[in-house]
Amino acid sequence: EVQLEDSGGGLVQPGGSLRLSCAASGFTFSSHAMSWVRQAPGMGLEWVSAISGTGGTTYYADSVKGRFTISRDTSKNTLFLQMKSLRAEDTAVYFCATHQDSSGFYQRSPIDYWGQGTLVTVSS
Amino acid sequence: DIQMTQSPSSLSASVGDRVTITCRASQSISSYLNWYQQRPGKAPKLLIFAASSLQSGVPLRFSGSGSGTDFTLTISSLQPEDFATYYCQQSYSTPPTFGQGTKLDIK
Repeated sequence: EVQLEDSGGGLVQPGGSLRLSCAASGFTFSSHAMSWVRQAPGMGLEWVSAISGTGGTTYYADSVKGRFTISRDTSKNTLFLQMKSLRAEDTAVYFCATHQDSSGFYQRSPIDYWGQGTLVTVSS
Repeated sequence: DIQMTQSPSSLSASVGDRVTITCRASQSISSYLNWYQQRPGKAPKLLIFAASSLQSGVPLRFSGSGSGTDFTLTISSLQPEDFATYYCQQSYSTPPTFGQGTKLDIK
């Protein structure tokens, strides 16, 4: 059974930093691309970032480019999202998610499993 | 970026009803269209991928169709657990984008 456990959310001041983690199990971690998707309170879903199965290729939404960094540790089956220069508009529940394609590529592969989400609140 | 537009934004229906939700892409996305269900306070769940393929474990009352720019999600006979918000999402190009959601509630 695929399991994704998001953690690391919390309250942070504008301009601050936070690192999210996602512990994965139940599948071959290095074979699947991973993404972070966020959902602001009462709003829809917004893709944030993706990383290939090997970790060699990363992708970012324009809204977070230069401020967020996605990475993965295949020895620990863990996905990370380092967030810097946080803004009020980054306030959201952040979900980690797997891509269906087992080749490790992200392009054109649907997201098939999601973590439970971790809440990030940016406020003074 | 490819814009995804769902209609309606909200919908009231009864148990046993047949319901259809539509999703339109701002440009052709071939069949790279996925549908998700999200219950309040929960993570989204993949229902349909590649426009019409049913994800493992999803009940047969859910079906999807379409290609190019116009797509539909149909629930053939609503069950109490189907009242939720539904999102379409294109995986044709980066960034992957979602529709604004369709909230389905009980009439």
